Amino acid sequence: KQEVTQIPAALSVPEGENLVLNCSFTDSAIYNLQWFRQDPGKGLTSLLLIQSSQREQTSGRLNASLDKSSGRSTLYIAASQPGDSATYLCAVRGSTLGRLYFGRGTQLTVWP
Amino acid sequence: GAVVSQHPSWVICKSGTSVKIECRSLDFQATTMFWYRQFPKQSLMLMATSNEGSKATYEQGVEKDKFLINHASLTLSTLTVTSAHPEDSSFYICSAASTEQILGYTFGSGTRLTVV
Repeated sequence: KQEVTQIPAALSVPEGENLVLNCSFTDSAIYNLQWFRQDPGKGLTSLLLIQSSQREQTSGRLNASLDKSSGRSTLYIAASQPGDSATYLCAVRGSTLGRLYFGRGTQLTVWP
Repeated sequence: GAVVSQHPSWVICKSGTSVKIECRSLDFQATTMFWYRQFPKQSLMLMATSNEGSKATYEQGVEKDKFLINHASLTLSTLTVTSAHPEDSSFYICSAASTEQILGYTFGSGTRLTVV
């Protein structure tokens, strides 16, 4: 069974710092990996999706990398802002229309 | 882009009553829908997977007679919590997938259920 782990569980930083959030998974046979953002009491917003054949994806200040063979992904947030405060979830999918396996998330707080 | 509408956003009900949560795909046909449950400060736990026109497949430990899932059309899936108890209070989120959108799933905005 796929298991997804996210480190750290929580992170509190001052505005402007560059951040690295880590995600690891036990079964490297994945279809894709997705990073989400969740604000308190809200649903999930997709940030970046990396197909299994890709190494990284970028969107604005966000960059996600994938090393499938080692079962790791990293979400890099550049020049963090208070508006980035949220919980960041990593999820992997094993097949085309298969279920997602979620990590427990990293709760990020960026203070002014 | 793909949009999934989930209603209601929040609901309060009395113990013993039933509550229905709707999940609609607004601009695509959802071949598959996933229902998740989330406890405070916890990750999403998959409850069941439903395919249009078929019975839902429930994860181990999820009571199928308590959490009734119906996926009667390609745009609508419903989750009914029957005979709700306070321990059913949680955040429920649906996710829709289609063969046209195999890259990424779209999530609803979630429903906060409080049973009193």
